[in-house]
Order: sequence, then C-alpha cells, then structure tokens
Amino acid sequence: EIVLTQSPDTLSLSPGERATLSCGASQSVSSSYLAWYQQKPGQAPRLLIYGASSRATGIPDRFSGSGSGTDFTLTISRLEPEDFAVYYCQQYGSSPRTFGQGTKVEIK
Amino acid sequence: QVQLVQSGAEVKKPGASVKVSCKASGYTFTGYYMHWARQAPGQGLEWMGWISPNSGDTNYAQKFQGRVTMTRDTSITTAYMELTRLRSDDTAVYYCSREANIAVAGPHDYWGHGTLVTVSS
Repeated sequence: EIVLTQSPDTLSLSPGERATLSCGASQSVSSSYLAWYQQKPGQAPRLLIYGASSRATGIPDRFSGSGSGTDFTLTISRLEPEDFAVYYCQQYGSSPRTFGQGTKVEIK
Repeated sequence: QVQLVQSGAEVKKPGASVKVSCKASGYTFTGYYMHWARQAPGQGLEWMGWISPNSGDTNYAQKFQGRVTMTRDTSITTAYMELTRLRSDDTAVYYCSREANIAVAGPHDYWGHGTLVTVSS
C-alpha cells in the first residue's frame, strides 16, 4: 500500500498569505493519480485538484497543484477567509486508495 | 444536479451490524463507481472500497475484508455498505462518494453528507 505523508501537520497563516502544502508518497504514484481535497468542520470533503495539477469544476484559480512521482504540492496563492480548513491528499492510482493524514490551515 | 443522500445516524452495540444507504440522483447511476470511506472522530479519511453499480463488482480494502459488503439496487439508484461485527473503533462518519469518469481511475468528485455510526454498549 502507498503511504502518503503530509507536511506540515498545521500551517498558521494570515489571510492574503501564500500556503504551500506537501504530500510525499512511499512509492511512485502511477500516472500522477493524486488528488487534493478540502474539508471543513462538519462537512464532507470537497475535490480541489485531480491528476496532480488539474482543478476540479468551480475551484478558484488561487488553488494550484504540482508534482509527480513521489512529491506533490498544493499551493493556495492568497488565502481567503473561507480557505481555512483541513486539506487531504489522496492517491487513486493503485488499490487500496490511500489518504494523507491531513494538513490543517489555521488563522494566525 | 448530482446528489448523494445518505441514511441517518445509527447507534449500535458491539458485535452488531449496520447498513448505510446512499441514494444517488442527477446522473446515470450505473455509469460511475461508488466508493465508501470513513472518518473516526477527529481523525483522517480511510478508504473502504468500491462497487460498480453496473456489474455489482466490488473491491474492498484488505482491512475490511470479511466484515464489509457493498451492494446496490439499480431500480432505486441506491448503494449500500454493510459492516458486521462492529467494534467501538468502528465509530465514525461513513461517506459514500462517486468516482469521476476522467481517466482509467478517477478522483471522488461528489460526496454524500456522511452518516455517523456510533458503536457503544
């Protein structure tokens, strides 16, 4: 099974700042089948990025994804108040599908 | 619009079983795989498996093999996840989610609202 490790566990930033979240895989993720999800308290996850770098429908362009192989990054160019949440990466190229442990982006 | 509506919260005793439903609407039910995942209180997401609503084929995470059964009823566009021999550490919110038809494998583009299953004596 592919283990995904996200860093940092918590990111404390102010609105307007840039957020950089990392996701490392224990093995290469096939065909860049790597997704990022946002989850707010009491809500289901929301798909942000798929294929490592493609934005899902309706996702603002301040969200961008990059990377390949075993190292992936989610960047939020300028944090808006609604972006403070927990972010998960997921690989969906091999079974079992696995998620990272999550990065919490909190208001500084 | 695509909607996945799950059944309500459940409280079960250890050793019992629970069956969670996920009613799909707004798209062709048999055209997209349905996945199940869970999230224990304050924890991350854990993938449990998928079912093909078209064929009924399933693929379960090894951790749940022998305890989980995913089924579907195409006549009412509903998927089900049954978990047996419940333990206290099965207490979690259970989510269904649709797999997007983007490539050979797709991310989860729509999610149900979640069903809280509490296991307590």
